[in-house]
Amino acid sequence: NAGVTQTPKFRILKIGQSMTLQCTQDMNHNYMYWYRQDPGMGLKLIYYSVGAGITDKGEVPNGYNVSRSTTEDFPLRLELAAPSQTSVYFCASRERQAYNSPLHFGNGTRLTVT
Amino acid sequence: GENVEQHPSTLSVQEGDSAVIKCTYSDSASNYFPWYKQELGKGPQLIIDIRSNVGEKKDQRIAVTLNKTAKHFSLHITETQPEDSAVYFCAASTLRKLTFGTGTRLQVTL
Repeated sequence: NAGVTQTPKFRILKIGQSMTLQCTQDMNHNYMYWYRQDPGMGLKLIYYSVGAGITDKGEVPNGYNVSRSTTEDFPLRLELAAPSQTSVYFCASRERQAYNSPLHFGNGTRLTVT
Repeated sequence: GENVEQHPSTLSVQEGDSAVIKCTYSDSASNYFPWYKQELGKGPQLIIDIRSNVGEKKDQRIAVTLNKTAKHFSLHITETQPEDSAVYFCAASTLRKLTFGTGTRLQVTL
C-alpha cells in the first residue's frame, strides 16, 4: 500500500495564481484532513472530510477550498495565492472518526508564494 | 479552545543520553495524547500515545507519562540513537478536536 500520496512535492506560485494540491489514499479511509505547518506553529487544520461529498472547515480555512468526490481523493484548492499561504501542506487520513484513531500523513507539499 | 504548549523547541543530546520533551494542555476534556515523529522531508508518524486513564506507557526506548491533575504529559527517549533525530509533536485530543503542540527538534550527536 502506498498510504497517503501528495503531489506536487514543491511548488512556487506568484501572488494571485491558483493551484490544486493533490491528495489520494489507498487505505479506504473515510476521514481525510488538510493541515498546514508553519515554523514554530505546529499543525493547523484547514479542512476535513468525513466521507465522499462531505467537507467542513477547520481552524484556518480562509483562502482555501476542498472537494471530496471520491473516497480516495481530497484535493485542496488555492484560488488567489497570497504570501501568507507560504507553508508546508500535509494531507492525512484516518480509519475511524474515533478520537484515538491514528492519523496517517502524506509527505507534504512545500509551497512558496512570491 | 484547547492550547497545547511544547518545550523545548530544540534539544541536542549526545548519543546514548536520554531526551525529555514536555507538553501542557489547557482543556480538561482532553483525554487522548498522541506523539508524532516527523523525519526530514516526511510527514508526521505516530510513535506512541496515551489515554487519560493511564499514567504511563512504554514501548521499548520510548515512554510517555501523563499527569492529568497538572495537565501535562511528557515523552521520554532513553539510549538515544542518531535515527531518533527528528521533529517531535505532542497533541491533545478531545472527542471532537485534535490540537498539536509547536514541535521539538531533537538532534542526537555522536
